[in-house]
Amino acid sequence: GNSVTQMEGPVTLSEEAFLTINCTYTATGYPSLFWYVQYPGEGLQLLLKATKADDKGSNKGFEATYRKETTSFHLEKGSVQVSDSAVYFCALSDRNGGSQGNLIFGKGTKLSVKP
Amino acid sequence: NAGVMQNPRHLVRRRGQEARLRCSPMKGHSHVYWYRQLPEEGLKFMVYLQKENIIDESGMPKERFSAEFPKEGPSILRIQQVVRGDSAAYFCASSSPGYGYTFGSGTRLTVV
Repeated sequence: GNSVTQMEGPVTLSEEAFLTINCTYTATGYPSLFWYVQYPGEGLQLLLKATKADDKGSNKGFEATYRKETTSFHLEKGSVQVSDSAVYFCALSDRNGGSQGNLIFGKGTKLSVKP
Repeated sequence: NAGVMQNPRHLVRRRGQEARLRCSPMKGHSHVYWYRQLPEEGLKFMVYLQKENIIDESGMPKERFSAEFPKEGPSILRIQQVVRGDSAAYFCASSSPGYGYTFGSGTRLTVV
């Protein structure tokens, strides 16, 4: 079945450091891929998404490229800020565009950014 | 335009009681999804509903859990005879065709 595997945390970085959170997936067909962010005590917010191979999703300085050949969707940011401290979830949807059907989530990676 | 509204934010129940969690989707959204997040885990899909219909309940435990999305009013996730293992954060999301999900802030259920 479909699944998502992301690197385990916690990840602790200094402000302005480079961030990579690895995410790989297993899926039949052509899933859509997502990164969600969860700040303490809050729900999930969509950070970025990609719906087909080689698409790059980007938002707030974060980027991720849909790599079908390596079944990966790694999250990157060139210079993290303290306000980026949160839990990041990689997810896939087996429905085109992700608008319907359930999402399959990774376990989440907690990021702490120190000043 | 209010987002997805869930209430209560926090709910404490004694073992054996019933828990009712409510979710009002975004205006214009006709699809509702419930997810459960156990401590230190990702979200797990529970059920997908449209108005008055359960579309996919493959993630729902077979016993004690039920969900509805009536023609009028919010979607309800109901847990009967709660046990300690039901303690978790329960998130609702809504969507409409062609658009992605919007998540609510969740209900944190604690069973004592």
